[in-house]
Amino acid sequence: EPEVTQTPSHQVTQMGQEVILRCVPISNHLYFYWYRQILGQKVEFLVSFYNNEISEKSEIFDDQFSVERPDGSNFTLKIRSTKLEDSAMYFCASRVTANYGYTFGSGTRLTVV
Amino acid sequence: AQTVTQSQPEMSVQEAETVTLSCTYDTSESDYYLFWYKQPPSRQMILVIRQEAYKQQNATENRFSVNFQKAAKSFSLKISDSQLGDAAMYFCAYRSAQGAGNMLTFGGGTRLMVKP
Repeated sequence: EPEVTQTPSHQVTQMGQEVILRCVPISNHLYFYWYRQILGQKVEFLVSFYNNEISEKSEIFDDQFSVERPDGSNFTLKIRSTKLEDSAMYFCASRVTANYGYTFGSGTRLTVV
Repeated sequence: AQTVTQSQPEMSVQEAETVTLSCTYDTSESDYYLFWYKQPPSRQMILVIRQEAYKQQNATENRFSVNFQKAAKSFSLKISDSQLGDAAMYFCAYRSAQGAGNMLTFGGGTRLMVKP
């Protein structure tokens, strides 16, 4: 069964450093998403991406965040200057069309120290 | 904005028994989708079951079924013949049928424990 692949599975970074979280969505999917889950809290929407542009973003997704689909297969989330409160599990997801459910990746655990 | 509420932070069930997890939501829309996701200790989000709001028939996937009450804005998950592998966090989620982004709005989750 096709999978959404996320790398790395765990990343530790120093506060103020830039991080890039990588995702390879399922190849025929058209819609791409990033969500995050702070430990013990609910899953929160960050951003959705369709047709090579952001279609929706939440209040969390401020100027420190950016997304890119540089080569038609990878989908990346960049955090420019990490803060302690960015520590969370980050999930990438993709779907084919509006009528289908999401497929989530296994997540990247980001720890900011 | 839509909200999703799971009023049971934790539930416990005996192996082979049946358990029902509750979910309510608030929306002014008439067309939307509802989902239950399972999150085991590995923290991967796994789709359990989905329901389209325009369908009156409750969705079923093997041992998992839902009770969708559109007027009451209620979407509960029933797990029959519970197995040890069902132990996980379960999240209810809502998605609008409008617009291109269609983000998921999650409830706070219910931790299900299965006793042998």
